[in-house]
Amino acid sequence: DAGVIQSPRHEVTEMGQEVTLRCKPISGHNSLFWYRQTMMRGLELLIYFNNNVPIDDSGMPEDRFSAKMPNASFSTLKIQPSEPRDSAVYFCASSLISGTGRETQYFGPGTRLLVL
Amino acid sequence: TQLLEQSPQFLSIQEGENLTVYCNSSSVFSSLQWYRQEPGEGPVLLVTVVTGGEVKKLKRLTFQFGDARKDSSLHITAAQPGDTGLYLCAGALGGGADGLTFGKGTHLIIQP
Repeated sequence: DAGVIQSPRHEVTEMGQEVTLRCKPISGHNSLFWYRQTMMRGLELLIYFNNNVPIDDSGMPEDRFSAKMPNASFSTLKIQPSEPRDSAVYFCASSLISGTGRETQYFGPGTRLLVL
Repeated sequence: TQLLEQSPQFLSIQEGENLTVYCNSSSVFSSLQWYRQEPGEGPVLLVTVVTGGEVKKLKRLTFQFGDARKDSSLHITAAQPGDTGLYLCAGALGGGADGLTFGKGTHLIIQP
């Protein structure tokens, strides 16, 4: 298995531009998570989906952020308009939730976003 | 306020020494996980503990979940340079379907 795939790996953009981050979860997984990592705040959960349905988006910082999961094999995280404080590493993770409480989340390599 | 506090934030020791890192919270977690992250990569799961008082061993790494399921520790025996990395603890407040709450991590450097 190729693992969780994220694209692009690096993104440099100017303030005010729209940014779209993409994620392909591991085939067969039923949950997908978006996280953001910064030195100041660490790794923060932004939103997660279960069976393509958004379950909790309370971690999304503001209305400039939106996430979609149109099917089981694809998700996007969009920032519009982007701001310098959005600069961070964005991770996507997927998991097969079976109810044991011991499920593993598999992380992608991350997208490093720099907003100038 | 960070829900999960990890200490120390940074630790640099010599190869062969032992070390313990801590993960503390005032909240009760249904499960707690430890991840290791290397530069330029995503976190990779090391272990999951579910039962209060649970102890798990992974070669030279020993993980313990507190009796009240609010805290955890990771002990490394005879540390090696390959252990260098960012160690993150993460708690699940609800069931396994929920997203995780991460601590800020312990940056560990093992010097040869």
